[in-house]
Amino acid sequence: DVKVTQSSRYLVKRTGEKVFLECVQDMDHENMFWYRQDPGLGLRLIYFSYDVKMKEKGDIPEGYSVSREKKERFSLILESASTNQTSMYLCASRSWAGGEPDTQYFGPGTRLTVL
Amino acid sequence: LAKTTQPISMDSYEGQEVNITCSHNNIATNDYITWYQQFPSQGPRFIIQGYKTKVTNEVASLFIPADRKSSTLSLPRVSLSDTAVYYCLVGDPLGFQKLVFGTGTRLLVSP
Repeated sequence: DVKVTQSSRYLVKRTGEKVFLECVQDMDHENMFWYRQDPGLGLRLIYFSYDVKMKEKGDIPEGYSVSREKKERFSLILESASTNQTSMYLCASRSWAGGEPDTQYFGPGTRLTVL
Repeated sequence: LAKTTQPISMDSYEGQEVNITCSHNNIATNDYITWYQQFPSQGPRFIIQGYKTKVTNEVASLFIPADRKSSTLSLPRVSLSDTAVYYCLVGDPLGFQKLVFGTGTRLLVSP
């Protein structure tokens, strides 16, 4: 079974702090994604990476950065956390096999609260 | 990117068949249709994917008409544990692109 793990289920930070959210997948997937999920807004893509050291902005990249130094790990960084970044953060990975079902495997999520 | 439209919510009772329809009028030739299920406090989970006609697996069926401008997820004989949010996505799985999740359909199954 594919496993996507996220470093924390719950996190509380203060405004202005630098926050690191870590995601690790164990299936050697090329593609990895960071989403945030807010009530009434569904899932919104923040950043994605189609391979090591590659990154692309999603729909709402402002206030975030990412790092993909190793294939299995994709980090989301909040440079200076703000209260409007309080949200559920979901990481996903996907194999870029071509011809295979386009299945994204999601982690359990990190609920971040910024005070 | 093809935009999708789904009902915000649906109610059903245990044992009934539930059909959730998704509209995607500007679907591209290479796009597939994928459905995900999400339970509270969990990440979404892949249910089914199709390109045209009908696809069936152990969980659900997916009906896609010839014009592919809509699709219907069919859940046979739902149970309480099928209460979840269901997302319809449209995209090309053979090339890399971001997929757009809409707001989904919240299905509530009652006894």
